[in-house]
Amino acid sequence: EAEVAQSPRYKITEKSQAVAFWCDPISGHATLYWYRQILGQGPELLVQFQDESVVDDSQLPKDRFSAERLKGVDSTLKIQPAELGDSAMYLCASSLRDRPNMIQYFGPGTRLTVT
Amino acid sequence: DAKTTQPPSMDCAEGRAANLPCNHSTISGNEYVYWYRQIHSQGPQYIIHGLKNNETNEMASLIITEDRKSSTLILPHATLRDTAVYYCIVRDGSSNTGKLIFGQGTTLQVKP
Repeated sequence: EAEVAQSPRYKITEKSQAVAFWCDPISGHATLYWYRQILGQGPELLVQFQDESVVDDSQLPKDRFSAERLKGVDSTLKIQPAELGDSAMYLCASSLRDRPNMIQYFGPGTRLTVT
Repeated sequence: DAKTTQPPSMDCAEGRAANLPCNHSTISGNEYVYWYRQIHSQGPQYIIHGLKNNETNEMASLIITEDRKSSTLILPHATLRDTAVYYCIVRDGSSNTGKLIFGQGTTLQVKP
């Protein structure tokens, strides 16, 4: 069964450093989502791509976060500089299309710890 | 904001059915009800979704009331591996984006 791949699974970084996460969605999935999950809370959407275009980045802290999906396949989420409050699980999800009856499949996530 | 209300925690005996309730009294006609679960430190796992009719798959059954204001997820024979946080999500069918808005979920503890 096809899965969403993410790397790294765990990342420890010092505050003010740069960090990047990678996501490879299920093959053929046009829509890609990045969510952030703070410990004890549910995931919250950071950014959504349709193919290579951003369709929703309203919750992305654009002063320090950036996301790209250059060829409409895999995606990178970057934080620069990292802050202590960025410690969280970063989850990538993909769906065939952006339709309300299309299932979003999640990857295993990247656990970020900022020290 | 999440459009659903779930009990924060529930217990279930292993081998028994687990019935997880969800209230979504403001749901509109084109909104789907989705259920996901998250086992500790893993990504959310899709379970089932529905619009109006009851649904069943290999994992669970989803019972939606006739007025669609509430639903119940049924795990027919709970095992210890079903211990997880279960999220009930109402997904906007008319917005430009398909984001899932997660609430706090229900922590299900399956006990031997």
